[in-house]
Amino acid sequence: QVQLQESGPGVVKPSETLSLTCTVSGGSTSDHHWSWIRQSPGKGLEWIGYLYNGGSTDYNASLKGRVTMSVDTARNHFTLKLRSVTAADTAVYFCAREGVRLSYDGADEVYYYYLDVWGKGTAVTVSS
Amino acid sequence: DVQMTQSPSSLSASVGDRVTITCRASQPISDFLNWYQQRPGKGPRLLIYAASTLLPGVPARFSGTGSGTDFTLTISGLQSEDFATYYCQESSTSRSFGQGTKVEIK
Repeated sequence: QVQLQESGPGVVKPSETLSLTCTVSGGSTSDHHWSWIRQSPGKGLEWIGYLYNGGSTDYNASLKGRVTMSVDTARNHFTLKLRSVTAADTAVYFCAREGVRLSYDGADEVYYYYLDVWGKGTAVTVSS
Repeated sequence: DVQMTQSPSSLSASVGDRVTITCRASQPISDFLNWYQQRPGKGPRLLIYAASTLLPGVPARFSGTGSGTDFTLTISGLQSEDFATYYCQESSTSRSFGQGTKVEIK
């Protein structure tokens, strides 16, 4: 059974770069898409972005320019870097696997994606 | 990007009640819609994908309907463990979440 574990510093100074790692056990980072999601204190879930097709990325438009994701298949982990952080980036950061189900609409293939395995989350505070 | 809007933002209900949560997309997304449950202090748990497909192990009292822009999550016969926050998420393009609906005990 696939398990995910986030790791990284719990405190980051303003204007610096937040770096987190998600280690995958019981599965391979070569399979599936891999996502990062965050939740600010008392707020809802915010999708940050995801890795797909072995290293391609797509990011939340509101964070583009500050976020980079990458995957290390040899170490079976993937990473999140968020630059120039402010207090607004204080949140619990989750990594998640994006599962997929193939269906057919007539002869057309239809892919349904969903976040089916989640890490426990890691709290990051931006503070000097 | 597709924007997802849930309503209500919170509701109070009793054990045994039928509860309905609505999620609306800012543009048509077919049935590319997921529902998650998040209990306090825990990570989210996938309940439903493709608008109406229950994940194995999810109780049958949960159901999802909808297509296009309007979707609903219904809990028929609320149980104590169902008091939580529920999120919809679109999976057609930007993967954005709704703002959440907190189900509280009346």
